[in-house]
Amino acid sequence: NAGVTQTPKFQVLKTGQSMTLQCAQDMNHNSMYWYRQDPGMGLRLIYYSASEGTTDKGEVPNGYNVSRLNKREFSLRLESAAPSQTSVYFCASSASTLNTEAFFGQGTRLTVV
Amino acid sequence: LAKTTQPISMDSYEGQEVNITCSHNNIATNDYITWYQQFPSQGPRFIIQGYKTKVTNEVASLFIPADRKSSTLSLPRVSLSDTAVYYCLVGGNTGKLIFGQGTTLQVKP
Repeated sequence: NAGVTQTPKFQVLKTGQSMTLQCAQDMNHNSMYWYRQDPGMGLRLIYYSASEGTTDKGEVPNGYNVSRLNKREFSLRLESAAPSQTSVYFCASSASTLNTEAFFGQGTRLTVV
Repeated sequence: LAKTTQPISMDSYEGQEVNITCSHNNIATNDYITWYQQFPSQGPRFIIQGYKTKVTNEVASLFIPADRKSSTLSLPRVSLSDTAVYYCLVGGNTGKLIFGQGTTLQVKP
């Protein structure tokens, strides 16, 4: 049982490049989330998807787009990467938005130079 | 969204009981209180969740007073492997799981 799988684990981008972070869960969860965590800081919610077909902004959505491709997959896209987006990105899922027991992936460490 | 306030850091020694208190003065009637643990270079891991009074599992206990404006995570007899960041979250009916700064617990031998 893989849980929440994120790809890639590491990525270096040049300023202005674009990329998509992939996330997939195999727990049949309805809700999925994207967070970023800067060094020594807590997690900040970027976007979330309460259910397949819906997405909503979190605390820090600027500079990002998301797609809930199907129930399993929730991707995060950086259209034009900036050094300020250097961070560790975590994807998570939960059974529903009423359930605060979320399961996290191992993270993607992104560096923008 | 109810904001949470926790101590930035705490120190303890192996074998001691550790209590981490979280303040959430604006908690809503439908909100649950949830605690997560995060080790370096890993995603957070769910520890415990409660609505009122006391909840206990194999890892920790959660104490919630009647007014629900605070909660206390209790870790019995900590070991070095309990060194981590602990987050208190309040919510459950808005879709937004908002993490605060967390409490860095350092367990010393």
